[in-house]
Amino acid sequence: NAGVMQNPRHLVRRRGQEARLRCSPMKGHSHVYWYRQLPEEGLKFMVYLQKENIIDESGMPKERFSAEFPKEGPSILRIQQVVRGDSAAYFCASSPMDRTEAFFGQGTRLTVV
Amino acid sequence: SQQGEEDPQALSIQEGENATMNCSYKTSINNLQWYRQNSGRGLVHLILIRSNEREKHSGRLRVTLDTSKKSSSLLITASRAADTASYFCATDAPFQGGSEKLVFGKGTKLTVNP
Repeated sequence: NAGVMQNPRHLVRRRGQEARLRCSPMKGHSHVYWYRQLPEEGLKFMVYLQKENIIDESGMPKERFSAEFPKEGPSILRIQQVVRGDSAAYFCASSPMDRTEAFFGQGTRLTVV
Repeated sequence: SQQGEEDPQALSIQEGENATMNCSYKTSINNLQWYRQNSGRGLVHLILIRSNEREKHSGRLRVTLDTSKKSSSLLITASRAADTASYFCATDAPFQGGSEKLVFGKGTKLTVNP
């Protein structure tokens, strides 16, 4: 059973470009969470999704950020028109139905130049 | 706003010593979890303690939970250089509608010197 898979591991984008981060949850997990981590900081919650539904997006910036978890395929975190301040590590976690434990991917490190 | 706050922010000890990290939180919780993050890597789940539990052990790890004080501690006994990492506590914060999300503190950076 593969763990949570995130790709790419590293992503470099120029200011104004779009960044697409992908997360494949563990097999059988229906809950996906996205977190952002700045250097030397903890993880800040962004969004919680179930298949085809956004459950809690209270941590998502109002503009430029969106997330989806389609019926088929990975969850996608999309950042439009990236700015330098978007540079961070973005982690995805998944959990089973009972949400007892969240398993994290290795993260995508986004650098905006 | 942050739910969990770990202290100390940084801790440096010698191999073989015990390391204690604390976590305080603000609202009622269902569970509290501790995670470890090696530099530049993802998070590894260490232990989960439920709100009705007071203490839990896993190998060299001991976690306590005091819901009256809204605090938890993580004790690593007989530390090793390989324990060098950042340690985070995470609580599930109830969200209206019945869903919960994990809310993390800023972490304690542990350095174990050989």
